[in-house]
Amino acid sequence: AQSVSQHNHHVILSEAASLELGCNYSYGGTVNLFWYVQYPGQHLQLLLKYFSGDPLVKGIKGFEAEFIKSKFSFNLRKPSVQWSDTAEYFCAVSSALGGANNLFFGTGTRLTVIP
Amino acid sequence: EAQVTQNPRYLITVTGKKLTVTCSQNMNHEYMSWYRQDPGLGLRQIYYSMNVEVTDKGDVPEGYKVSRKEKRNFPLILESPSPNQTSLYFCATSRGGEQFFGPGTRLTVL
Repeated sequence: AQSVSQHNHHVILSEAASLELGCNYSYGGTVNLFWYVQYPGQHLQLLLKYFSGDPLVKGIKGFEAEFIKSKFSFNLRKPSVQWSDTAEYFCAVSSALGGANNLFFGTGTRLTVIP
Repeated sequence: EAQVTQNPRYLITVTGKKLTVTCSQNMNHEYMSWYRQDPGLGLRQIYYSMNVEVTDKGDVPEGYKVSRKEKRNFPLILESPSPNQTSLYFCATSRGGEQFFGPGTRLTVL
């Protein structure tokens, strides 16, 4: 069965600090990988996704993530965070074959950015 | 505008009183699903539907029912709600592996 681990439950940063949120998954086959963001009181929005090709993917709002297949990881990064990045971030994985629409989510990482 | 809508957005009810949360999408997607979000547990899939009249259990289906009589609608039914179903519920559609989420329904069962 697929599973997703996000080891950072709550991260607190000052504005302009760099961000890296960890995501590891467990699945033996080819995967699609996603990062979603949930701003306070809102629904989930897609930040970025990886299906194939360049393992370094760029998303909206200056976020990027790198797929490292050997480490089963898909860490999210941003060089300089802003107060408006305060949100909860979810990593998710789906099988690239057959069950591509069934997403498995990590438990989320809450990011608090202090002005 | 492409969107997923849910109603109601907020609901407080009592144990055992049947309720339905509606979900509708205008993107003509075949795949729809329901998730519940709980603190520290992330999002867990309740049910999903690959197409009209095709539904299947997700990870946490107990206490829930769904139906898919039309492509655009996928209601979530709680026949006899219990306090452990107090949660934030999201409907989603999917095409090509990318999911689009509704605004959420915050349900409190007393």
